[in-house]
Amino acid sequence: TQLLEQSPQFLSIQEGENLTVYCNSSSVFSSLQWYRQEPGEGPVLLVTVVTGGEVKKLKRLTFQFGDARKDSSLHITAAQTGDTGLYLCAGALSGSNYQLIWGAGTKLIIKP
Amino acid sequence: DTAVSQTPKYLVTQMGNDKSIKCEQNLGHDTMYWYKQDSKKFLKIMFSYNNKELIINETVPNRFSPKSPDKAHLNLHINSLELGDSAVYFCASQDRGNYGYTFGSGTRLTVV
Repeated sequence: TQLLEQSPQFLSIQEGENLTVYCNSSSVFSSLQWYRQEPGEGPVLLVTVVTGGEVKKLKRLTFQFGDARKDSSLHITAAQTGDTGLYLCAGALSGSNYQLIWGAGTKLIIKP
Repeated sequence: DTAVSQTPKYLVTQMGNDKSIKCEQNLGHDTMYWYKQDSKKFLKIMFSYNNKELIINETVPNRFSPKSPDKAHLNLHINSLELGDSAVYFCASQDRGNYGYTFGSGTRLTVV
């Protein structure tokens, strides 16, 4: 069974703090995506990483793909209340007919 | 202009009824999906269609039947609804270039 484990499952921090969310697997992915989902809405794609060791930045969000393409991290600097949401990672396996393997999500709450 | 639109947004119905959820995408994507998100927020794939052809049919009861009249539409029909069918159902389309999904805003189904 291919699994994508996210940690932590839940994180509640004060505005201005930094945080990191992890996504780990024993499988090698051809690409990995991060999504944010807000209540009552569908997940929204934040970034896709495809190359081992790749780092992408989206304002205060930094995404990293592991060298072996089995894991990824999302780091948020100086979190804001608008960052609150459910963060999901999803990996694409080679030859998987484009199907994504989804993590269970990290629920992030940023307190003012 | 909504890229992936689902209707209805909310659906409350009695056990045993038959209901349909509609999905349309205007992105020109070839691949569309139906996902079920349970109360723990885990996204589980149900069906995948590529250019009107079923390519993934995960283990779901045969009371669930997808229909794709054209590659821009993927509807979900559910027969004999059960309490356990209560969940949020998401339609999504996929850009095969980068695997990125665009989700609809979801249909919250409540079976009473």
